[in-house]
Amino acid sequence: GAVVSQHPSRVICKSGTSVKIECRSLDFQATTMFWYRQFPKQSLMLMATSNEGSKATYEQGVEKDKFLINHASLTLSTLTVTSAHPEDSSFYICSARDPSRHPYTEAFFGQGTRLTVV
Amino acid sequence: AQSVTQLDSQVPVFEEAPVELRCNYSSSVSVYLFWYVQYPNQGLQLLLKYLSGSTLVKGINGFEAEFNKSQTSFHLRKPSVHISDTAEYFCAVSDLGTNAGKSTFGDGTTLTVKP
Repeated sequence: GAVVSQHPSRVICKSGTSVKIECRSLDFQATTMFWYRQFPKQSLMLMATSNEGSKATYEQGVEKDKFLINHASLTLSTLTVTSAHPEDSSFYICSARDPSRHPYTEAFFGQGTRLTVV
Repeated sequence: AQSVTQLDSQVPVFEEAPVELRCNYSSSVSVYLFWYVQYPNQGLQLLLKYLSGSTLVKGINGFEAEFNKSQTSFHLRKPSVHISDTAEYFCAVSDLGTNAGKSTFGDGTTLTVKP
């Protein structure tokens, strides 16, 4: 149980275009999802907390208009990188918390999306 | 605010030797503690977690970790490593309650197992 799937696993896009990354909880309903970014050889940095039916909460320094997060259903959150540039190239990972596993102890991670902007 | 310090950025070790990956954390509140492993271009796989209770936690693939509250440490150990253990390892802390799952990660330790 507690499987989180990301799609696509890899994407290459042209500079100036937008790209959407999906994060799905496959066997549970996730009211809260988290989006992380990981640069090569570096750690994971939390970008935002995505709550179903409400606006995402962004971490300091993360551009809200650049990284659009939509959590329209209990099993799907999307991250859209708008007007992507080469510096946005990174590994993006989502995680989801299963509210049925109360008290909450952890979130479950997707397999990540490698974004390359050329 | 929380922080996690992984004391070794790279740990080379020979196959079948023991290994310890060190992790210290700082937090003004109680936290959950985790160790994850990441293989190239893949997501995170949970090795083990400490929530409460026994300070010695056993995880998958023969790994274990010991929580030391006084030293605010959560070191990961394995008595005998395999080539397949070569990967990046991350220590992480997470808030309790409504912020559980929102994690702060260390910078990672690259474990390289040599034949």
